[in-house]
Amino acid sequence: DGGITQSPKYLFRKEGQNVTLSCEQNLNHDAMYWYRQDPGQGLRLIYYSQIVNDFQKGDIAEGYSVSREKKESFPLTVTSAQKNPTAFYLCASKVGKNTEAFFGQGTRLTVV
Amino acid sequence: GQSLEQPSEVTAVEGAIVQINCTYQTSGFYGLSWYQQHDGGAPTFLSYNALDGLEETGRFSSFLSRSDSYGYLLLQELQMKDSASYFCAVHRRDDKIIFGKGTRLHILP
Repeated sequence: DGGITQSPKYLFRKEGQNVTLSCEQNLNHDAMYWYRQDPGQGLRLIYYSQIVNDFQKGDIAEGYSVSREKKESFPLTVTSAQKNPTAFYLCASKVGKNTEAFFGQGTRLTVV
Repeated sequence: GQSLEQPSEVTAVEGAIVQINCTYQTSGFYGLSWYQQHDGGAPTFLSYNALDGLEETGRFSSFLSRSDSYGYLLLQELQMKDSASYFCAVHRRDDKIIFGKGTRLHILP
């Protein structure tokens, strides 16, 4: 089945540790996105990538890093520089400019 | 800069019709989409408007006026399962997708 897979669904980390969230898609989509959602809030764009080996900062990129070495994969690293990393992280992808985005099921990160 | 405004909460009665408005300000506007999100879940796509006018998909319709930087989502024959948060999102020419803060829809029996 085609889709976007985020793993793991729940992730716990100690403060000060870097953590990498996985996002894989087999939809052959060009563009991929990472969003952060806090309770009762909207989705805020962290990073996005239009093609392999290229990505752009979103509105809240500080404390995060990404890579796009393969079309199917867009991992997000939450670094220790991110002041408040506990949140729901959502990955999305879309095939072209004039199309909708599809979301993975999200990863809930808790930093203690 | 960019901004999207939508009401934070809307309440309606089961079986009724409800409209959720969205106004936006952005450069490089390409289109407006709508997503539904149930508590604890991921957003799911509802509709996308690139051109002015009304798009209808079953009980859901979406409208866009590019000249007014305005759109709305119309939900008809409301069902209890429609209780969720609804987000409008601006698609830009640089492929950025910016979401509003969402509208929580409460449905009364």
